[in-house]
Amino acid sequence: GAGVSQSPRYKVTKRGQDVALRCDPISGHVSLYWYRQALGQGPEFLTYFNYEAQQDKSGLPNDRFSAERPEGSISTLTIQRTEQRDSAMYRCASSLAVTQEQYFGPGTRLTVT
Amino acid sequence: AQSVTQLDSQVPVFEEAPVELRCNYSSSVSVYLFWYVQYPNQGLQLLLKYLSGSTLVKGINGFEAEFNKSQTSFHLRKPSVHISDTAEYFCAVSDNNNDMRFGAGTRLTVKP
Repeated sequence: GAGVSQSPRYKVTKRGQDVALRCDPISGHVSLYWYRQALGQGPEFLTYFNYEAQQDKSGLPNDRFSAERPEGSISTLTIQRTEQRDSAMYRCASSLAVTQEQYFGPGTRLTVT
Repeated sequence: AQSVTQLDSQVPVFEEAPVELRCNYSSSVSVYLFWYVQYPNQGLQLLLKYLSGSTLVKGINGFEAEFNKSQTSFHLRKPSVHISDTAEYFCAVSDNNNDMRFGAGTRLTVKP
């Protein structure tokens, strides 16, 4: 019965390191979404999945960003060779695809030093 | 592709005053429209949504919004605000492709 969870809640990493951000959606939710939110801005769409299939990755900024959802439940967003400009809040949401109402997790705040 | 414009980045109001937060969208297809609220240090919470039917949508905490297709707007209103309504408000649009585009947000500050 819990909501969307994300881990870690906070991540500080050095430039050049890889990071993996995890999202655990609401049980039974078909669709899973990743967003990036800079300070003072609205969430920016990155990518989404229906079940295990990645439907749209047009929002991923470059090829250092990738996401997977291998079993149609938990998803991982990976950023390789992090740069300072990657610092942001990364939010995950899930939905029953038909209603399109998205439930958001608390986010992971990533800081690249 | 759809997009959202929130015309006011900040809206200061006094407690018990009415408020309107403006949202305009662009889309070439039918849209679903949403308002989310983000309280300080918390995640996004759905306030209300328009999927179809009545153009006046009522949400939680006394908020309502009206879908106006001719003006491509979905403004959020509340007749009397409380201090606890201080938060960031985001308008969002989604077409049938199941992704969502957010506006930049409006910071509502309610003063005593």
